[in-house]
Amino acid sequence: DSGVTQTPKHLITATGQRVTLRCSPRSGDLSVYWYQQSLDQGLQFLIQYYNGEERAKGNILERFSAQQFPDLHSELNLSSLELGDSALYFCASSPRNHRENEKLFFGSGTQLSVL
Amino acid sequence: AQSVSQHNHHVILSEAASLELGCNYSYGGTVNLFWYVQYPGQHLQLLLKYFSGDPLVKGIKGFEAEFIKSKFSFNLRKPSVQWSDTAEYFCAPYNTDKLIFGTGTRLQVFP
Repeated sequence: DSGVTQTPKHLITATGQRVTLRCSPRSGDLSVYWYQQSLDQGLQFLIQYYNGEERAKGNILERFSAQQFPDLHSELNLSSLELGDSALYFCASSPRNHRENEKLFFGSGTQLSVL
Repeated sequence: AQSVSQHNHHVILSEAASLELGCNYSYGGTVNLFWYVQYPGQHLQLLLKYFSGDPLVKGIKGFEAEFIKSKFSFNLRKPSVQWSDTAEYFCAPYNTDKLIFGTGTRLQVFP
């Protein structure tokens, strides 16, 4: 158990809908990272938050957004969903900022299926 | 329960030494297998993957991994490491809709 909690584990929805994925980092961790895993492309970094502020942005679509709340949990919002958004979405956390060579701890992921 | 185990938490090598990082998983059925690498200050990137076919898979930067189904293992190897291989390495088996990351192995290579 990494200490990172993601909910829900599975989500099935229709095209055009909007969903919210939630991540609770390990106790004391300030950084939260979101990744998208598709089988053919592997893991794609989406976005990082550090202590409530956006720190780094990767291949995140404009239809997607995220935020980190004062209690350090984070939400990833996916809107106007398309079939191609079906994937595993992972959250990871680290104590500070990954640029200080910190280890990432991964949640178990949310499997999103867009029908 | 499905799980993955990376035996080595921290490995220290000199340049030109050979590397083998262990990875065992407990999934049943068809499994796809990934190794990811995180270089200092960078995000995770895919090192190599196995879906089917030849159990010896070659990845980037001279890395390879061998899938041994009978041992539920997917060990990562490199014949001769370089200082630039210093990074964190994650094994990640994927089964249908479930992918679990190992705890990672920190590799330090000294010149």
